[in-house]
Parts: sequence; structure tokens; C-alpha cells
Amino acid sequence: KQEVTQIPAALSVPEGENLVLNCSFTDSAIYNLQWFRQDPGKGLTSLLLIQSSQREQTSGRLNASLDKSSGRSTLYIAASQPGDSATYLCAVRIIQGAQKLVFGQGTRLTINP
Amino acid sequence: GAGVSQTPSNKVTEKGKYVELRCDPISGHTALYWYRQSLGQGPEFLIYFQGTGAADDSGLPNDRFFAVRPEGSVSTLKIQRTERGDSAVYLCASSLGLAADTQYFGPGTRLTVL
Repeated sequence: KQEVTQIPAALSVPEGENLVLNCSFTDSAIYNLQWFRQDPGKGLTSLLLIQSSQREQTSGRLNASLDKSSGRSTLYIAASQPGDSATYLCAVRIIQGAQKLVFGQGTRLTINP
Repeated sequence: GAGVSQTPSNKVTEKGKYVELRCDPISGHTALYWYRQSLGQGPEFLIYFQGTGAADDSGLPNDRFFAVRPEGSVSTLKIQRTERGDSAVYLCASSLGLAADTQYFGPGTRLTVL
């Protein structure tokens, strides 16, 4: 059974710092890995999607990497801003079991002005 | 264009009652997914539709939960004899239908069972 773990559960940093969020998964048989952002009381916003054949994806200040063989992904946020405060979730799309996403429990990020 | 919409945004009901939650996917998306998110946790898969048929319902917790998508667009998640443990945010997502595609999520329905 695929399990996804995110560390740390919560992170608080001052504005302007670069930071890394970690995601690990137990089964490397995945189609892709997706990073989402969730604001309090809101749905999920897709940030980056990395296919299993790719090593990284970039969008603005965000860079996500994927090491499928070791079961790890990182989300790098450069020059953090207070507006980046949210919960960040990673999810893997597994090969066995149709097309469902298996999510981690999320990292709650707070950027202090 | 319009994103995934869900109604109602909030639903409060009493234990034992029946509820229906609605999802309108992005136009043209053939795949539709339901997830359930408990407080402080990531979403958990419930059911996946490809067109009108449920391709995978392995995440439905028990037979009180049922979902339909009769015309391949709008979907309704139905919960019978609700229990307090059913309280959660129910999220709907849609995608073009291929495994490589991004899933786009709606805002969710917050269900509270008293």
C-alpha cells in the first residue's frame, strides 16, 4: 500500500528566506507527483506536476524535484512572502488502483513579515 | 473558464439523516473524483468516474456511501444514515481523463453531522 509522508508537519520562517518542504513515498510505481497549496477553508490549488520520467519542474519562485528511485520529492520556495502562508500537500498518482491520488498529511507553512 | 464547483459549500445535518453533495466538473473533463478530508489530514480517495461509470469505488468506507454520474458530467455523492464520523470536507476533482493529467479541485463541501 502506497504511503506518503510529509516532513515537517509545520514550519514557520521569516519573510525572504528560501525554504524546502519534503515529501516521501513508499512505492516508486507512480505516474506522477503533484504539489498542491490549500488555504484555510478552501480547496486545493495545483502548483506543480512532475511526471515519473521527469526530475524537476519550475514555476516562478517554486521548484519541485522528484527522485523516484528513492521515493522522495522536494518543493523549494525562493524568497518567501507572507502570501505563501498555506498548507502544502504532495500527492502521488499510483499505477495500481486506477487514477487516484494518494496524499500526504501536509506541511502548514507560516511566513512571518 | 469556470473551475470545478461544489454545492452546498456547507451542510449541517443530524445523525441518521440522508445528504446529497453535488459536483460540477470542468466542461469537457471526462474523469471525476471524490475525496474526503478530515481535519489536519490530507484528502483520502473515495471514488473515481470515467464518463458515467464508476471505474474505482474502492475508497468508499461502507455501503452508506454511494455516488452517481448519470450523464457523464455532474456527480452526486449520497450518504445515508449519516454518522458523526462522516463529518469532514468532501472534495471533488476533475481531469481530462489520462493518467498524466492534472486533477483540478473544487472548493469542497464541509459536512457537519450533529
